Amino acid sequence: DQQVKQNSPSLSVQEGRISILNCDYTNSMFDYFLWYKKYPAEGPTFLISISSIKDKNEDGRFTVFLNKSAKHLSLHIVPSQPGDSAVYFCAASKSSGDKLTFGTGTRLAVRP
Amino acid sequence: DADVTQTPRNRITKTGKRIMLECSQTKGHDRMYWYRQDPGLGLRLIYYSFDVKDINKGEISDGYSVSRQAQAKFSLSLESAIPNQTALYFCATSKQGAWAGELFFGEGSRLTVL
Repeated sequence: DQQVKQNSPSLSVQEGRISILNCDYTNSMFDYFLWYKKYPAEGPTFLISISSIKDKNEDGRFTVFLNKSAKHLSLHIVPSQPGDSAVYFCAASKSSGDKLTFGTGTRLAVRP
Repeated sequence: DADVTQTPRNRITKTGKRIMLECSQTKGHDRMYWYRQDPGLGLRLIYYSFDVKDINKGEISDGYSVSRQAQAKFSLSLESAIPNQTALYFCATSKQGAWAGELFFGEGSRLTVL
């Protein structure tokens, strides 16, 4: 039972344009959400998070949007850069200190 | 030096062999985790530990065991490896406290079971 789903395994975007990565979850108890970025031969690294009391969190070029009624979150990268090419995982937990449940990942390719 | 160090980074073994993957951290975090990554399945939690005397099963603990030897060390064992345990394994740490969901990952250990 996949509680956190990323339905797009891959995404290709032109440099300078917006990248939108989507994530859906099924467990209504999740209230803390994170995005991780993973380059080949490296471990995932934390990118941005959002708690369920917010619907948007922004950090530079990265913005995460949360729609609790739809159980959906998205990561926007504007403008996209070739260095953003990586696998992106969304993750969720029932509280900020609880263990994380990860999605299946989306591979983003930013074309120069 | 990496804050979360995994050894070995790569290992090829045969079915039925016992394998141990080791993880050590210098971040001073209480919490440690073992995940495995498989294509199309993302990262799945195997075991986690919130302190030295605490061990908890994750989503896919069958066929694995762990040992938390000290705050800084958390090892994962495959008592009798099988081919479907071929995967990329990650150790991670986190700190206790508010908004502490952020995990810090090691660089991964690639295990191939023939």
